[in-house]
Amino acid sequence: QKEVEQDPGPLSVPEGAIVSLNCTYSNSAFQYFMWYRQYSRKGPELLMYTYSSGNKEDGRFTAQVDKSSKYISLFIRDSQPSDSATYLCATMDTGRRALTFGSGTRLQVQP
Amino acid sequence: EAGVAQSPRYKIIEKRQSVAFWCNPISGHATLYWYQQILGQGPKLLIQFQNNGVVDDSQLPKDRFSAERLKGVDSTLKIQPAKLEDSAVYLCASSLVRTVSYEQYFGPGTRLTVT
Repeated sequence: QKEVEQDPGPLSVPEGAIVSLNCTYSNSAFQYFMWYRQYSRKGPELLMYTYSSGNKEDGRFTAQVDKSSKYISLFIRDSQPSDSATYLCATMDTGRRALTFGSGTRLQVQP
Repeated sequence: EAGVAQSPRYKIIEKRQSVAFWCNPISGHATLYWYQQILGQGPKLLIQFQNNGVVDDSQLPKDRFSAERLKGVDSTLKIQPAKLEDSAVYLCASSLVRTVSYEQYFGPGTRLTVT
């Protein structure tokens, strides 16, 4: 079993739709939860991070972590064609301080 | 602020040949990472440096991969000899300090094709 599981997609939505991206993880030691966005032929860039459980909102983006079910979510409101990218969830335990990534979900927002 | 620089951007080699990748992190970033990203997968950490010391190389195939970070700034990753399964994008990332290492800044990567 992979430590972080993510549906690879692709996910295609019309412009303006609400997008839900999800990951599950297996290691209870993970304390930090991140979402990175990766455009084609580019390196990943940090979108949001959450420490432990709870919600975090930043503009059109909301990250949720449910540690009881080991579930990580990213919601994108009013999706735009510029949001088309691969979204990678990532986790980190405070001991090792190394990121463990999911396989990424490819999102396509149709204009 | 300049980002993480990597070179070359693309490299094609035959199996059993050797190859080297170079990374220049963001100025002042003490922690440097090398990741391998195989097509359709997320990045996998190969090695982590804190200044010029290795912090974590548990997933580095040491029989063929080596990395160094001289003077705590630039870093090189070498593969010798390369195998077909080494075809991937090699990403370099840096973070300011290890305690906030969830915030990593990635370079554009080097796309390696082994034929």
